[in-house]
Amino acid sequence: GAVVSQHPSRVICKSGTSVKIECRSLDFQATTMFWYRQFPKQSLMLMATSNEGSKATYEQGVEKDKFLINHASLTLSTLTVTSAHPEDSSFYICSAQGPRAYGYTFGSGTRLTVV
Amino acid sequence: GEDVEQSLFLSVREGDSSVINCTYTDSSSTYLYWYKQEPGAGLQLLTYIFSNMDMKQDQRLTVLLNKKDKHLSLRIADTQTGDSAIYFCADSATAGNKLTFGGGTRVLVKP
Repeated sequence: GAVVSQHPSRVICKSGTSVKIECRSLDFQATTMFWYRQFPKQSLMLMATSNEGSKATYEQGVEKDKFLINHASLTLSTLTVTSAHPEDSSFYICSAQGPRAYGYTFGSGTRLTVV
Repeated sequence: GEDVEQSLFLSVREGDSSVINCTYTDSSSTYLYWYKQEPGAGLQLLTYIFSNMDMKQDQRLTVLLNKKDKHLSLRIADTQTGDSAIYFCADSATAGNKLTFGGGTRVLVKP
């Protein structure tokens, strides 16, 4: 079946540093990818929608300069958390549209801890 | 804006059936999904239903859709301990459009 690989699965970084999270669709091309944030015992909050070759569309309240999204190819999207702070600690999940038009395949998530 | 709601918690005995309910407000919802999330993991698609369908069955899973009441349910037959997880319903107005998730229902299966 369709697989979306998300790396790293877990990362600990110091305040003020930047962290990059990768999301790859392994066996299908994904024109559109989505990035979510999930707080403990809560639902997924959509942060942004990224389309290959164009700028990402951010949801209201999400700082685009802090959460940089790049979707340079049909199989790779990256989320960079810049100048991370402890309040950025969360579970980040990516999703790729596909392989069917109405399908969404999720990555396994990245647990970010900022110390 | 659109809203998707679910009950928070469900406890069920192993071997019984589980029914998880979901309501949504967007009348233009075309695709409705059920996802399963185990601790520390991403979301696994369990099943989906198009809005022109009333029911869909896939092995132990049965999805019922009442479009008039904007109510979606997921029935898991012969619930097993491995079914313990958080279940999310989600809807999408069009293919490729962003998903709107419910808050998730935590299902605990007791032996």
